[in-house]
Amino acid sequence: DTGVSQNPRHKITKRGQNVTFRCDPISEHNRLYWYRQTLGQGPEFLTYFQNEAQLEKSRLLSDRFSAERPKGSFSTLEIQRTEQGDSAMYLCASSPIGLSYPYGYTFGSGTRLTVV
Amino acid sequence: GQNIDQPTEMTATEGAIVQINCTYQTSGFNGLFWYQQHAGEAPTFLSYNVLDGLEEKGRFSSFLSRSKGYSYLLLKELQMKDSASYLCAVRDGNAGNMLTFGGGTRLMVKP
Repeated sequence: DTGVSQNPRHKITKRGQNVTFRCDPISEHNRLYWYRQTLGQGPEFLTYFQNEAQLEKSRLLSDRFSAERPKGSFSTLEIQRTEQGDSAMYLCASSPIGLSYPYGYTFGSGTRLTVV
Repeated sequence: GQNIDQPTEMTATEGAIVQINCTYQTSGFNGLFWYQQHAGEAPTFLSYNVLDGLEEKGRFSSFLSRSKGYSYLLLKELQMKDSASYLCAVRDGNAGNMLTFGGGTRLMVKP
């Protein structure tokens, strides 16, 4: 397995445009998480999936954000009508179900979004 | 909810020892993690504590006291490449094993 893969690595978009990011988790991992991280801050939780079910969404996730994991494998995060405040690193992570995974998460390399 | 506090910045000298503290308040505690994050990169796993005590792994050690809601990460024989942010994160077993992160401690190692 090649780990968690995120695409694209970098995205520059104009304000008001829509963007979509993709995450391919480790294949055996049932849980998939999305986080957002701005400069100098820790990652902030956005949402997570267990298989194809989206089980929790942060209040940070406005109506312009939507995430899917249609077949319980890869996930997409879409931001509509982007704003400059959406500029951040978007991190995807995965983990297996079970209480004892000793690494917490396995992270992808992230997608850095810049809204101009 | 979760609340995790750690210092914003620390500076240390190459070859020295530095201790980064983390305090937390949480429900459903199911482990505390430390990650290292270099600028512009994703976090990478350093250590995991679920029981009280010290876990040692080479130059890095992590300590946990669940009764005090306290952990520290100890870095020995500091190297310039250790300049990075260090993230403390707590796992909540009642919330899908979700991790909540502190704001990170930016460590600068000077020659």
